[in-house]
Amino acid sequence: SYVLTQPPSVSVAPGKTARITCGGNNIGSNSVHWYQQQPGQAPVLVIYYDSDRPSGIPERFSGSNSGNTATLTISRVEAGDEADYYCQVWDSSSDHWVFGGGTKLTVL
Amino acid sequence: EVQLVESGGGLVKPGGSLRLSCAASGFTLSTYSMNWVRQAPGKGLEWVSSISSRTTYIYYGDSVKGRFTISRDNAKNSLYLQMNSLRAEDTAVYYCARDSEAAAGTGGHFSHWGQGTLVTVSS
Repeated sequence: SYVLTQPPSVSVAPGKTARITCGGNNIGSNSVHWYQQQPGQAPVLVIYYDSDRPSGIPERFSGSNSGNTATLTISRVEAGDEADYYCQVWDSSSDHWVFGGGTKLTVL
Repeated sequence: EVQLVESGGGLVKPGGSLRLSCAASGFTLSTYSMNWVRQAPGKGLEWVSSISSRTTYIYYGDSVKGRFTISRDNAKNSLYLQMNSLRAEDTAVYYCARDSEAAAGTGGHFSHWGQGTLVTVSS
């Protein structure tokens, strides 16, 4: 089955740039979606189809996807960005949705 | 405004059954695929099941296949998850999520999520 690998944690100082990776075999050939989950809250879509941003999501959030790695980039990080982030792809070989294990973003 | 409200969670003994519901409002349910995703305490997101807009295509995660059944009633604006032969490892918050597409399994994203309902399987 398809596996998505995320770092368990990423730390960044306020105002700096955070990059959260999502690794998978030839993930660049898949569409990747990203979700933010604040403690005790439901997930919220922050990036879809690799790099599109839903309305209401700040331009500070961006995404890219190539080769074996997709990346969620958060520029000018704020304290409110502290959350868990999950990547997601549809694995057409197994007809399964796959989530990465999640990355906890800590704002120092 | 799109709203998804889950209900039906609770405490159930191992081997028991439970039926979750998801009430949809603010959009035409028959236009979208729908999904169930769960999250065990302190763990990550796990996809459970997906159903296309007209119930043509249904998919299940390996850990629930054969025990859970997803269904929908577009006329009642509702999504369901029948859970049988429950195990301790099924303990989780269960979320319903609206897909961005009518057809399930086309790689669309989960654009809207409910707040979840907690299922606890314990003796």
